Amino acid sequence: KNEVEQSPQNLTAQEGEFITINCSYSVGISALHWLQQHPGGGIVSLFMLSSGKKKHGRLIATINIQEKHSSLHITASHPRDSAVYICAVGGTASKLTFGTGTRLQVTL
Amino acid sequence: NAGVTQTPKFRILKIGQSMTLQCTQDMNHNYMYWYRQDPGMGLKLIYYSVGAGITDKGEVPNGYNVSRSTTEDFPLRLELAAPSQTSVYFCASSRGGGETQYFGPGTRLLVL
Repeated sequence: KNEVEQSPQNLTAQEGEFITINCSYSVGISALHWLQQHPGGGIVSLFMLSSGKKKHGRLIATINIQEKHSSLHITASHPRDSAVYICAVGGTASKLTFGTGTRLQVTL
Repeated sequence: NAGVTQTPKFRILKIGQSMTLQCTQDMNHNYMYWYRQDPGMGLKLIYYSVGAGITDKGEVPNGYNVSRSTTEDFPLRLELAAPSQTSVYFCASSRGGGETQYFGPGTRLLVL
């Protein structure tokens, strides 16, 4: 069993839809990261959180430490949100363990 | 600020050849990392460094070597390329442990 599991693996949505991507992990962590990998391959960090909820524009990330679960929400989705979203968890020495990603396609 | 830069963008190697993947950051970050990304798999940590002169193995270090002589540079060396090293390699940096990581654009390597 992978230490970090994401669901769904693939997601297609229409423009304007509310999107949720889930991440479950099985190890103790110090922080959880959400990253976005663009179709061209570049990776950017969206959020780092260790408790509660963070919001940036149309993106919201939540984490439940007791349940070892995090969600990434996208409100009013847009085709430019099409990307692979990656969950990663950090333990000691800042090493990250990555999920395999959720590929999101938003259509008009 | 250029952030994290990597060269080359793409390279084809023959089995047994060697090469160095370059990584430079201009953010004065202490921590630097090398990852590989294989199709359908999550990123895997190859090596990391917490400061100049200090490096440590990650999850998949076999077949690779690193050095960190300056804060800015963290090159990754492949000594005897093998087809299993065909992958996309990402370098990243962070100010400290457990902080946001900033990624380079990646190097696509094909070993034939």
